[in-house]
Amino acid sequence: ETGVTQTPRHLVMGMTNKKSLKCEQHLGHNAMYWYKQSAKKPLELMFVYNFKEQTENNSVPSRFSPECPNSSHLFLHLHTLQPEDSALYLCASSQEPGGRDNEQFFGPGTRLTVL
Amino acid sequence: GDSVTQMEGPVTLSEEAFLTINCTYTATGYPSLFWYVQYPGEGLQLLLKATKADDKGSNKGFEATYRKETTSFHLEKGSVQVSDSAVYFCALKDSQFYFGTGTSLTVIP
Repeated sequence: ETGVTQTPRHLVMGMTNKKSLKCEQHLGHNAMYWYKQSAKKPLELMFVYNFKEQTENNSVPSRFSPECPNSSHLFLHLHTLQPEDSALYLCASSQEPGGRDNEQFFGPGTRLTVL
Repeated sequence: GDSVTQMEGPVTLSEEAFLTINCTYTATGYPSLFWYVQYPGEGLQLLLKATKADDKGSNKGFEATYRKETTSFHLEKGSVQVSDSAVYFCALKDSQFYFGTGTSLTVIP
């Protein structure tokens, strides 16, 4: 049990659908993250939230829209995705974004397939 | 910018074989270095870390030493088990995390 849960674990959607990914952390952390994991590529950091405020947006297309209502919950709203957006989406949390040795705790991921 | 390069897999070893997964990094500052492991169907878990030069991180029989002179953080284990089959990620953290592409390890009985 990593303390970070994600739902759903698998999602298949069409390019015109709207769906949301949910992440919840039970660790009392202040920072939460969305990553995209694609085969044979490094993990791509998408968004960072610190105390519910977005502090990082790594040039992510607007078809991905994050929401962080509180320090324990993080959503990723999806609309009009492309097939190349198919990947494993990982949520992570940490005590704070900074600090050289602050480790991140990861959820199990949502396997997204866009048809 | 900062980056991590790790050896491409997949790596297949027999049980009790010696494991090395190479990792080198590029960083402008003085990062901490990490190895994460991802078991099938799960998220990444911290395996070990080192926060300064010459530090050795170790856990579950795995070791890695922070080598500033060669900008490396190679992962080693003396005798792998079937349960070590997973994907291993090298990472550095300065202002943010930078991960490698991952190396898939399969250990056969």
